[in-house]
Amino acid sequence: AQTVTQSQPEMSVQEAETVTLSCTYDTSESDYYLFWYKQPPSRQMILVIRQEAYKQQNATENRFSVNFQKAAKSFSLKISDSQLGDAAMYFCAYADYKLSFGAGTTVTVRA
Amino acid sequence: DSGVTQTPKHLITATGQRVTLRCSPRSGDLSVYWYQQSLDQGLQFLIQYYNGEERAKGNILERFSAQQFPDLHSELNLSSLELGDSALYFCASSVDSNEQFFGPGTRLTVL
Repeated sequence: AQTVTQSQPEMSVQEAETVTLSCTYDTSESDYYLFWYKQPPSRQMILVIRQEAYKQQNATENRFSVNFQKAAKSFSLKISDSQLGDAAMYFCAYADYKLSFGAGTTVTVRA
Repeated sequence: DSGVTQTPKHLITATGQRVTLRCSPRSGDLSVYWYQQSLDQGLQFLIQYYNGEERAKGNILERFSAQQFPDLHSELNLSSLELGDSALYFCASSVDSNEQFFGPGTRLTVL
């Protein structure tokens, strides 16, 4: 079974600054997908960004970007120009036929 | 709005009872997934249906069952409820298994 590890239970960032969330995973597969989901206080799960393992180029979605290191099985999320609305729990997820989630990182944004 | 709907939003019931949670996937999505989010277990995959057929099972208890109907909506049935079944239950849908869109969830409280 794939395991996903998020080693940072909480992260705090000043508004307009940058924060990076860590994620590592374990798999024996060569082709897979990785995701970051955001869960704000409303509890809705919102897809932030996805990365296909066969693509070397790191995915970017506006202020969100990833650093995908396939050999190291690392998939970090960088939030640039942090906004108050970015405050949420962020989950890293590995996809095969299902999603396997990490424990989550709570991001607090300071005004 | 992900396009996935779930009803009810909240459910409060007593131990030993049975409840049914309902999910309507995004238009065109054949796959439906059920996840449970609890404080102690995190986000866990329960079961997947594809076009009416069970495709994969995760950490789903024998007291729980699901089905997907010809119109592709799905129901998750939870019986002989215990206090520990209190959780947020998510439904997700996808065209393929690599990108899943989540509904708003059903919060179940067992008293």
